[in-house]
Amino acid sequence: GAVVSQHPSWVICKSGTSVKIECRSLDFQATTMFWYRQFPKQSLMLMATSNEGSKATYEQGVEKDKFLINHASLTLSTLTVTSAHPEDSSFYICSARKLNYGYTFGSGTRLTVV
Amino acid sequence: TQLLEQSPQFLSIQEGENLTVYCNSSSVFSSLQWYRQEPGEGPVLLVTVVTGGEVKKLKRLTFQFGDARKDSSLHITAAQTGDTGLYLCAGRNTDKLIFGTGTRLQVFP
Repeated sequence: GAVVSQHPSWVICKSGTSVKIECRSLDFQATTMFWYRQFPKQSLMLMATSNEGSKATYEQGVEKDKFLINHASLTLSTLTVTSAHPEDSSFYICSARKLNYGYTFGSGTRLTVV
Repeated sequence: TQLLEQSPQFLSIQEGENLTVYCNSSSVFSSLQWYRQEPGEGPVLLVTVVTGGEVKKLKRLTFQFGDARKDSSLHITAAQTGDTGLYLCAGRNTDKLIFGTGTRLQVFP
């Protein structure tokens, strides 16, 4: 079956620093990858959609300069939270989709900014 | 903005009881999925419904897609403690998957 690996599973960083989260599709090539954010006791909110080799499409209200997304290959997308602040602390989840197949989710990354 | 409203938001029941979770939207979706999520993990797909009026059964879980493909329901028969979790509906629009507001289910022994 399709497997998506997300790394790291948790990270603590100091306010003002940047953090990179990786999302890899292990056994398939993902035509599209998605990044979600989930605050405690809330649902998943779509942040952006990325296609390999092109710029990510951000949802309304998501700062593209703060959440940098790179999708350099069909198996890897990265999300970099730049100049992180405590309000960026959240659970970040990626999802990968192969054309004509379903969505496979990573296990999430818990980011805590102190 | 497409919104998928789920009700109830929270549900606390005893083992053996039945329950229904609703997912409603004003938008039409090409398909709708139901997921369950455990704390600290990604959501896990339970089912995908595509055709208006479709009913799918997965053991004690019954899923229904509304005729107009705007709403869906999840019915659990004889709930078990292992059913505890966050249930999420998600509607597909082109390539995007938009999640509902979520229903947190707690089943007590």
